[in-house]
Amino acid sequence: GDSVTQMEGPVTLSEEAFLTINCTYTATGYPSLFWYVQYPGEGLQLLLKATKADDKGSNKGFEATYRKETTSFHLEKGSVQVSDSAVYFCALVGAGGTSYGKLTFGQGTILTVHP
Amino acid sequence: AAGVIQSPRHLIKEKRETATLKCYPIPRHDTVYWYQQGPGQDPQFLISFYEKMQSDKGSIPDRFSAQQFSDYHSELNMSSLELGDSALYFCASSSRGRGDTQYFGPGTRLTVL
Repeated sequence: GDSVTQMEGPVTLSEEAFLTINCTYTATGYPSLFWYVQYPGEGLQLLLKATKADDKGSNKGFEATYRKETTSFHLEKGSVQVSDSAVYFCALVGAGGTSYGKLTFGQGTILTVHP
Repeated sequence: AAGVIQSPRHLIKEKRETATLKCYPIPRHDTVYWYQQGPGQDPQFLISFYEKMQSDKGSIPDRFSAQQFSDYHSELNMSSLELGDSALYFCASSSRGRGDTQYFGPGTRLTVL
C-alpha cells in the first residue's frame, strides 16, 4: 500500500536558519503530494502541493519539488522564523484505484525555531 | 473564505457512552473525509463520502458509523466508547471537480474517561 516516510524529528533551529525536512514515499503510479502544517492546538493547514513529476509547490517561503526518480518531496525554507514552529506532515493521495482521495500521512516532524 | 466547520470542538464522555461529531464542509464541496489523530500520531483515515454515498473506508471500528446528508454535512457516530477512542477527529472536504485538495476543519477533541 501507499506509505510516506519523514525524517525523524524533532528539528530545532535558530531564527533565519535554513530548513530541510526530508520526505520520501511509496505509491503506485503518480500520486499527488502535499505538505500540511499543524500549529499547536489547531487543525491541519495545507502548506503546498504538487500533482505531477517536477512540479514545485511553494507558499510562505516554503518550497518542495516532486521528484519521481527519487520518490521524494523534501520541504525547504531559506530562512525560518519563530512563527514557523509547528508540526509538519508530508502526505500523498494515491493515483486512483479503490482508495480514491484518502490522504496517507507521514509521521510528522516537530519544528521548533528559537529567536 | 468559508472553511470547514466542526462541532463540538471539545467533547468529554464516559466509557461505553455514545458521541456524535458533526462536520459542515466548504460550500460546493461534494466530498467529506474523516480522520482520527491520536496523541503524537499522524492522522489516520477513517471513512469518506462522495455525493452522500460512502466512497472509501479505512481503519474505522465497527462501533463507529457515519453518513453524509442531503445538505452535504456529515456526522460521525461513535458508540460504546473506549479509552482508546480519545483523540482529535478531523473532517476534511474537497471538490472532485476542482483539484480534490482536502481542506481540514479545526477538529473535535474527544476525551473518554
